[in-house]
Amino acid sequence: QQQVKQSPQSLIVQKGGISIINCAYENTAFDYFPWYQQFPGKGPALLIAIRPDVSEKKEGRFTISFNKSAKQFSLHIMDSQPGDSATYFCAASASNTGKLIFGQGTTLQVKP
Amino acid sequence: DVKVTQSSRYLVKRTGEKVFLECVQDMDHENMFWYRQDPGLGLRLIYFSYDVKMKEKGDIPEGYSVSREKKERFSLILESASTNQTSMYLCASSLWGLAGGLWYEQYFGPGTRLTVT
Repeated sequence: QQQVKQSPQSLIVQKGGISIINCAYENTAFDYFPWYQQFPGKGPALLIAIRPDVSEKKEGRFTISFNKSAKQFSLHIMDSQPGDSATYFCAASASNTGKLIFGQGTTLQVKP
Repeated sequence: DVKVTQSSRYLVKRTGEKVFLECVQDMDHENMFWYRQDPGLGLRLIYFSYDVKMKEKGDIPEGYSVSREKKERFSLILESASTNQTSMYLCASSLWGLAGGLWYEQYFGPGTRLTVT
């Protein structure tokens, strides 16, 4: 039972382009949506996170867009750079649990 | 600097062996987690712990157990390793609660790649 579905599985973008990764969830009790970034040989690290009372959050070149009615959220990476090449995971959590449910992951390659 | 360390980066064990994976955090975090990471499946929670000697099952606890005798250390135990437990195992820790309406960040270790033959 996959409660958070992530797409695409892999993504290739040219340097300077926009990378978009999408996630959909089913559990309406989820109220915290982080994105984690993982480089080869490393553990995932928090990139950006949002609560459903806002529709968008931006930190530098990274933006989360959130659509509560559609139960979808996405990560946009503007001006993608080769250093952004990594695996990205969306996740969701319900309040008072502290547990994260992760999506399947997206491997991003940014070509120079 | 935040640090989560795992006892081994690579481990090869035989079917039926009892396997211990150790995780240590130096941040005085209440929460600790064990995940396994498999291609196409993302990270799946095996067990987590909110406090010393406290544990709760995650989404895939079958075949695993855990131990948390000290706040900084969380061990994952494979009672009788099987080939379908070949995977990358990730440990994480976090504070308990919210900061600015968002759950505290989980900090991950580098992972242990376990191969069971």
